[in-house]
Amino acid sequence: EAEVAQSPRYKITEKSQAVAFWCDPISGHATLYWYRQILGQGPELLVQFQDESVVDDSQLPKDRFSAERLKGVDSTLKIQPAELGDSAMYLCASSPDRGDGYTFGSGTRLTVV
Amino acid sequence: GNSVTQMEGPVTLSEEAFLTINCTYTATGYPSLFWYVQYPGEGLQLLLKATKADDKGSNKGFEATYRKETTSFHLEKGSVQVSDSAVYFCALYTGGFKTIFGAGTRLFVKA
Repeated sequence: EAEVAQSPRYKITEKSQAVAFWCDPISGHATLYWYRQILGQGPELLVQFQDESVVDDSQLPKDRFSAERLKGVDSTLKIQPAELGDSAMYLCASSPDRGDGYTFGSGTRLTVV
Repeated sequence: GNSVTQMEGPVTLSEEAFLTINCTYTATGYPSLFWYVQYPGEGLQLLLKATKADDKGSNKGFEATYRKETTSFHLEKGSVQVSDSAVYFCALYTGGFKTIFGAGTRLFVKA
């Protein structure tokens, strides 16, 4: 069964440092999403791509977060500088179309110390 | 605005008990509705979905029926197992770009 790949699985970083997460969606899935999930809560959308274009980044803290999907395939989410409040699970998901259910990766657990 | 409300957890059941997790929604238009499951330390997995009123989604013994008149999509299973222990998320998609997730309901099943 096809999977969404994410790396790293776990990341510990000091505050004010830069950190990056990588996601490889299921082949052929045009839509890619980055979600943040704080412990005990539901996922919240950070950014959504349709192919290589950003279609929703309204909840992305753009002063410190950036995301790209240069060739419309894999994607990178960056935080610079990291803050203590950024500690969370960062989930990548993809779908063949916006209205379909998503396939999620296993996530990256970020701890900022 | 669009929103999803789930019953608060945790829900604790004994093995083979009947499960219901309530989900109600507020949405404009005609949303698609989903249930996702998250096991510890993992990402979410799509469990089932329904795209129009009176549709029943089902998978792995779980069922949910899209009730437009009560704006509900309650998750049910007739006989839970210890391996069903997880967090369950109700979600809706109304078109546009965003799927909205509920806060999640944690289920513990005791042997």
